[in-house]
Amino acid sequence: DGGITQSPKYLFRKEGQNVTLSCEQNLNHDAMYWYRQDPGQGLRLIYYSQIVNDFQKGDIAEGYSVSREKKESFPLTVTSAQKNPTAFYLCASSNPAGSEQYFGPGTRLTVT
Amino acid sequence: GDSVTQMEGPVTLSEEAFLTINCTYTATGYPSLFWYVQYPGEGLQLLLKATKADDKGSNKGFEATYRKETTSFHLEKGSVQVSDSAVYFCALRRGGTGGFKTIFGAGTRLFVKA
Repeated sequence: DGGITQSPKYLFRKEGQNVTLSCEQNLNHDAMYWYRQDPGQGLRLIYYSQIVNDFQKGDIAEGYSVSREKKESFPLTVTSAQKNPTAFYLCASSNPAGSEQYFGPGTRLTVT
Repeated sequence: GDSVTQMEGPVTLSEEAFLTINCTYTATGYPSLFWYVQYPGEGLQLLLKATKADDKGSNKGFEATYRKETTSFHLEKGSVQVSDSAVYFCALRRGGTGGFKTIFGAGTRLFVKA
């Protein structure tokens, strides 16, 4: 079955540590996205990538970094520079432009 | 800039009641409009979509009509079930060079009581 996988489901880290969230898709989509969701709030775009080896900052990119070396993979690194990293992180993909997005199950990150 | 406004929740209904969740948008051009649903602890799933004015999207008993004159895309269901309890997000996406970003509303939480 085609879809998007995110791992792990739950992640715990100490303050000051970088952490990388995994996102893999087998839908053959060109575009991929990372969102952050805080309790009771909507989605905020962190980074997006329209094609391999290219990505753009979203609305809240500070303290985050990404790479897009393969079409199937779009990992997100939450760095120690991110002031409030505890949140639910969602990865999505789409193809072609203007179509709906397909979401992964999310990773809940807790930093203490 | 583009924006989506949807009614605040939570919305609490009894089973078999009629549901309306209001959504209005601001955008240039002719965006595509979407409703997504999120069940607890999960990612979002597409519920329905409409790509041009007067289109009606429908799925699983839910419907929404793209109204350009009122810039609205209200979600309706004639008879809700307990299993419909979730958070519903209205969203828009413009085509062209600005088309890779989707703008989401804040979400409306729905509780359906048995």
